[in-house]
Amino acid sequence: EAGVVQSPRYKIIEKKQPVAFWCNPISGHNTLYWYRQNLGQGPELLIRYENEEAVDDSQLPKDRFSAERLKGVDSTLKIQPAELGDSAVYLCASSRGQGARGGKETQYFGPGTRLLVL
Amino acid sequence: ELKVEQNPLFLSMQEGKNYTIYCNYSTTSDRLYWYRQDPGKSLESLFVLLSNGAVKQEGRLMASLDTKARLSTLHITAAVHDLSATYFCAGGFGGTSYGKLTFGQGTILTVHP
Repeated sequence: EAGVVQSPRYKIIEKKQPVAFWCNPISGHNTLYWYRQNLGQGPELLIRYENEEAVDDSQLPKDRFSAERLKGVDSTLKIQPAELGDSAVYLCASSRGQGARGGKETQYFGPGTRLLVL
Repeated sequence: ELKVEQNPLFLSMQEGKNYTIYCNYSTTSDRLYWYRQDPGKSLESLFVLLSNGAVKQEGRLMASLDTKARLSTLHITAAVHDLSATYFCAGGFGGTSYGKLTFGQGTILTVHP
């Protein structure tokens, strides 16, 4: 089966500019996650969707970050305006969902978007 | 809040040797994951450990879970160069916190001749 698809793979922008990342999860996966991975660290969850509903966005910096998952499939993560500290890899992951296998599903990660803010 | 700590953070191994990566977590977790990440690539799932005493093996890697000690280990047997990568453990929960994985810092493994 096809994996999680993300685009773009790389993005370089100047600070204060907007930027958007796109994710297409594995077919049939109801749960979608956005993570941020800073250099030399493990990923940190930003937001989790169950179908089209954001069920956990407690770690999302809402003053500048927004996300949407229209129709419960593809998702977009936006930053506006970007700051220097936003430079990181943004990872999208998906899983079948809490109802599947008692909620112990593995999350499958996409290749990530590497963002550099100058 | 769940905290996950790995050690060592850097591991340089000779081919053919054995070693263990340790993953300690601070509070009870429903499940423990191990992922591998190659430079510039995404995370690849290796193991999911769901219960105390769980042991899973794939090739030269074996993962175990001791929920009483809040400890998971990833044991590498007879290391080969292809195992060079960064290895992450992550703890997760069910219920209302389902899907929120907390990752360790990662262990950068280098296997050399």
